[in-house]
Amino acid sequence: DGGITQSPKYLFRKEGQNVTLSCEQNLNHDAMYWYRQDPGQGLRLIYYSQIVNDFQKGDIAEGYSVSREKKESFPLTVTSAQKNPTAFYLCASSIAAGTNEKLFFGSGTQLSVL
Amino acid sequence: AQSVTQPDIHITVSEGASLELRCNYSYGATPYLFWYVQSPGQGLQLLLKYFSGDTLVQGIKGFEAEFKRSQSSFNLRKPSVHWSDAAEYFCAVGPSGNTPLVFGKGTRLSVIA
Repeated sequence: DGGITQSPKYLFRKEGQNVTLSCEQNLNHDAMYWYRQDPGQGLRLIYYSQIVNDFQKGDIAEGYSVSREKKESFPLTVTSAQKNPTAFYLCASSIAAGTNEKLFFGSGTQLSVL
Repeated sequence: AQSVTQPDIHITVSEGASLELRCNYSYGATPYLFWYVQSPGQGLQLLLKYFSGDTLVQGIKGFEAEFKRSQSSFNLRKPSVHWSDAAEYFCAVGPSGNTPLVFGKGTRLSVIA
């Protein structure tokens, strides 16, 4: 079945540690996105990529980094510079970049700080 | 910049009752409008979308939404709620082009017997 796979489901970060969240899609979509979800805050855009080897910062990119070396993969690294990383992270993709395109979401990764 | 307001943080309805979730947007031109639903611990699923044309749009699971330009609103409705509709609902807006969507903060729906 085609879809978006996020792993792991749960992740714990120690102080000063970088952690990487995985997002893989087999939908052959060009565009991919990372959102952060905090209770009562909705979804906030961290980074997005419209094509391989290119990505743009979203509204809350500080303390995060991404890469897009392959069409299927868009990993997100939460760096030690992100002082409040505890949140639910959602990866999404769409056929192409564009507001009118339907977003397909993964099932998320819950990141917590030890 | 465009923005979305969902005035209701939490709504509780009885099973079988009608439902209306409110969404107001701020954008100069006619925006693209969406409603997504999220079950606990899961990703979001598209319910319906509006781009142009008929202002009443039908979606999946018996939901509909009406675009009212004069009120800058895109409210979601369902005539009879089922217990399985309990979830969080997000309204989203965006201009045309390649700009990603902006999501509202969500409305959590509880359904009681």
